[in-house]
Amino acid sequence: GQNIDQPTEMTATEGAIVQINCTYQTSGFNGLFWYQQHAGEAPTFLSYNVLDGLEEKGRFSSFLSRSKGYSYLLLKELQMKDSASYLCAVRDWMTNQAGTALIFGKGTTLSVSS
Amino acid sequence: GAVVSQHPSRVICKSGTSVKIECRSLDFQATTMFWYRQFPKKSLMLMATSNEGSKATYEQGVEKDKFLINHASLTLSTLTVTSAHPEDSSFYICSARDRAGGSYNEQFFGPGTRLTVL
Repeated sequence: GQNIDQPTEMTATEGAIVQINCTYQTSGFNGLFWYQQHAGEAPTFLSYNVLDGLEEKGRFSSFLSRSKGYSYLLLKELQMKDSASYLCAVRDWMTNQAGTALIFGKGTTLSVSS
Repeated sequence: GAVVSQHPSRVICKSGTSVKIECRSLDFQATTMFWYRQFPKKSLMLMATSNEGSKATYEQGVEKDKFLINHASLTLSTLTVTSAHPEDSSFYICSARDRAGGSYNEQFFGPGTRLTVL
């Protein structure tokens, strides 16, 4: 089966940097996604990693280590609007019935204060 | 681009009735759409994968006769919650994958439908 773990909650202040970790166990890893979700809204795509290393995208960066089953999302220059839930999701060819859907972690609720 | 809509956004119904939720890809064709369910403060749980022109693939534990999925065209998938009960109350979210693939073959999510069964 698959297992995806991330912290439940994190807090930070405006302007700071925060790192949200995600560890996973899957049979047929085929990519890791990070999504942002505000309460009552749909998730929005942030980043994608399939090879080891860091992907940078403006204030957001995502890192992947396939050998360690580990990823993190790094948010820089935090703003109040970054308060949201951050979902780590893995695409697994072998575990999921269809082989193409995403398996989500429980999400990390980030609260940014002034 | 890559916009997915859902209708309705909110629905309240009586126990025993059926509710249909539509998921549309507005500016792209989606051979595959996914249906998720999300409980408060919980993550998305995949219910089924909907493929255009064929039967949906349901995840373990999801009742096929309870949650009817139809993917009649490349831009529309519907989820019908049959004989709804209060425990079916949840946030239902669909996502679609662009037939053309996209940069990361990522899924684009609809805004979700809040179902409340009285």
